[in-house]
Amino acid sequence: GAGVSQTPSNKVTEKGKYVELRCDPISGHTALYWYRQSLGQGPEFLIYFQGTGAADDSGLPNDRFFAVRPEGSVSTLKIQRTERGDSAVYLCASSLDRLGSGANVLTFGAGSRLTVL
Amino acid sequence: GIQVEQSPPDLILQEGANSTLRCNFSDSVNNLQWFHQNPWGQLINLFYIPSGTKQNGRLSATTVATERYSLLYISSSQTTDSGVYFCAVEGRRGSEKLVFGKGTKLTVNP
Repeated sequence: GAGVSQTPSNKVTEKGKYVELRCDPISGHTALYWYRQSLGQGPEFLIYFQGTGAADDSGLPNDRFFAVRPEGSVSTLKIQRTERGDSAVYLCASSLDRLGSGANVLTFGAGSRLTVL
Repeated sequence: GIQVEQSPPDLILQEGANSTLRCNFSDSVNNLQWFHQNPWGQLINLFYIPSGTKQNGRLSATTVATERYSLLYISSSQTTDSGVYFCAVEGRRGSEKLVFGKGTKLTVNP
């Protein structure tokens, strides 16, 4: 597609529930990133995919968080047993190639706002 | 990991004024990008600038890598420039992720 698409744009759930957030990157972009942004803060790195593999998942806060990108395109961020502290905007970004390979810039989606009651 | 500090945290301007936003980083960088987050939350890339100077219309940016800082200049500001400006860096070669600063919130009044 022309841009990075994220769904849903808003998700309200109850504590303890399971949620999935979807990201559809720009066609042909091999690198995909998930970030989380809390109110008044900058985006915080969660996980980076190069192709189908998670090249760096060091930002995932705990084992309740998991992400997949089975065909090297669409990615899903999965959160189990949600907690109120998980409430934030989850941002997805893609780039043509890995950051270190040249002048690769990140294109962000509009984000998925998650509210855990 | 690499630290990114942005200043000032908040900036209020009258339309037509000029401004300079600063980004300091704690280590050598492989990649540096400036973003604008509009009031609706959309992050837009402004510049890829690990070193040197670039200009795009009323915006320009300069990165002095040896002194570990970058500057974003906004001239003749407009109300549509309002939002939060983020600096993001990739630290040591191979980290493959951008670390963001806390941003500068800019408000341009008519």
